[in-house]
Amino acid sequence: GAVVSQHPSRVICKSGTSVKIECRSLDFQATTMFWYRQFPKKSLMLMATSNEGSKATYEQGVEKDKFLINHASLTLSTLTVTSAHPEDSSFYICSARDGSQETQYFGPGTRLLVL
Amino acid sequence: LAKTTQPISMDSYEGQEVNITCSHNNIATNDYITWYQQFPSQGPRFIIQGYKTKVTNEVASLFIPADRKSSTLSLPRVSLSDTAVYYCLLSGYSTLTFGKGTMLLVSP
Repeated sequence: GAVVSQHPSRVICKSGTSVKIECRSLDFQATTMFWYRQFPKKSLMLMATSNEGSKATYEQGVEKDKFLINHASLTLSTLTVTSAHPEDSSFYICSARDGSQETQYFGPGTRLLVL
Repeated sequence: LAKTTQPISMDSYEGQEVNITCSHNNIATNDYITWYQQFPSQGPRFIIQGYKTKVTNEVASLFIPADRKSSTLSLPRVSLSDTAVYYCLLSGYSTLTFGKGTMLLVSP
């Protein structure tokens, strides 16, 4: 089946630093990738949709300058949390859509802790 | 904006069949219905996807009535390891919105 990886799986950083999270589709090409955020015991919240080679589309209330998304190839999208603060601590999950079907496959998630 | 509604929680026992229903009254013509399973601190895992009628794979069945305003995920003979949160998601041209999911607790 389709596999999506994320790296790192967990990261701890100091307040004010930037953190980059990578999302890769390993065995299929993903023209569209999605970034979600999930707080404890809550549902996933869509942050942004990224299409290969174009600018990401951000959901209402998500700061584009805070959460930089790059989708430079059909198998890689990155999310950079800039100037991270403790309130950015969360579980970040990416997904990739197989262009041949309407199915999203999710990565394992990245746990971010900002001290 | 397509929205999904599911029961917040369900309880079952090992070996029983569990049916979880999702309501999606505003589903768009080109939306597919996909169900995911999520364990704590993991990304959602794909279970099954369908457009209409019935779909079956090695782990579940998905029933979709003709009006497509709801869908039912059927898990045959659940085990303790099926304790998780289950989400239905509409995908297509609708905005992607996860509902609150259904917390399924399977007891011995």
